[in-house]
Amino acid sequence: AQTVTQSQPEMSVQEAETVTLSCTYDTSESDYYLFWYKQPPSRQMILVIRQEAYKQQNATENRFSVNFQKAAKSFSLKISDSQLGDAAMYFCAYRRSGGGSEKLVFGKGTKLTVNP
Amino acid sequence: ETGVTQTPRHLVMGMTNKKSLKCEQHLGHNAMYWYKQSAKKPLELMFVYSLEERVENNSVPSRFSPECPNSSHLFLHLHTLQPEDSALYLCASSQVKGWVGIDTQYFGPGTRLTVL
Repeated sequence: AQTVTQSQPEMSVQEAETVTLSCTYDTSESDYYLFWYKQPPSRQMILVIRQEAYKQQNATENRFSVNFQKAAKSFSLKISDSQLGDAAMYFCAYRRSGGGSEKLVFGKGTKLTVNP
Repeated sequence: ETGVTQTPRHLVMGMTNKKSLKCEQHLGHNAMYWYKQSAKKPLELMFVYSLEERVENNSVPSRFSPECPNSSHLFLHLHTLQPEDSALYLCASSQVKGWVGIDTQYFGPGTRLTVL
């Protein structure tokens, strides 16, 4: 069974600084997708970024980028120029490939605090 | 705003009550999901509906009964719940495309359920 591990329950960063959130996963599949979701205090789960495992290039979305290391099964999220609005729980998620409604497997989350 | 709405946002019920959670998606998606988020636990997938047919049931107790009358609406009927069922219930939707493409799931804001 696939598992997702986020080893940092909490992280903090100064406003305008850079922070990296860690995520590792375990799978025997070769093709899959990885996601980072953000859950602010409003509890809405918001997609931050996604990565296809077959792509070697790391995904980027504005201030958010990932470091995808397939061999190491690592998928970290880097937030540059951190803003107060980035404060939230961040969840790493895995989904195996193939279409259909394959379920997302989530990590336990990392709570990010942004200090002014 | 992700295009997925949930009502009510908060619900308090006794163990003998019957209530329903509602989810509606305005994204034209054809798959919908119920997740349970408990404190300090990863999100757990409960049910998946694809093309209005239930395709996954993750060993959820029968006191939770899903209903998907059409591709835009999803309900979770609740009866004789236990206090340990108190949690945030999240609905999500995605577009299933057969065996290609990523069906990124978009989440609603959740219903905070408290069972007394």
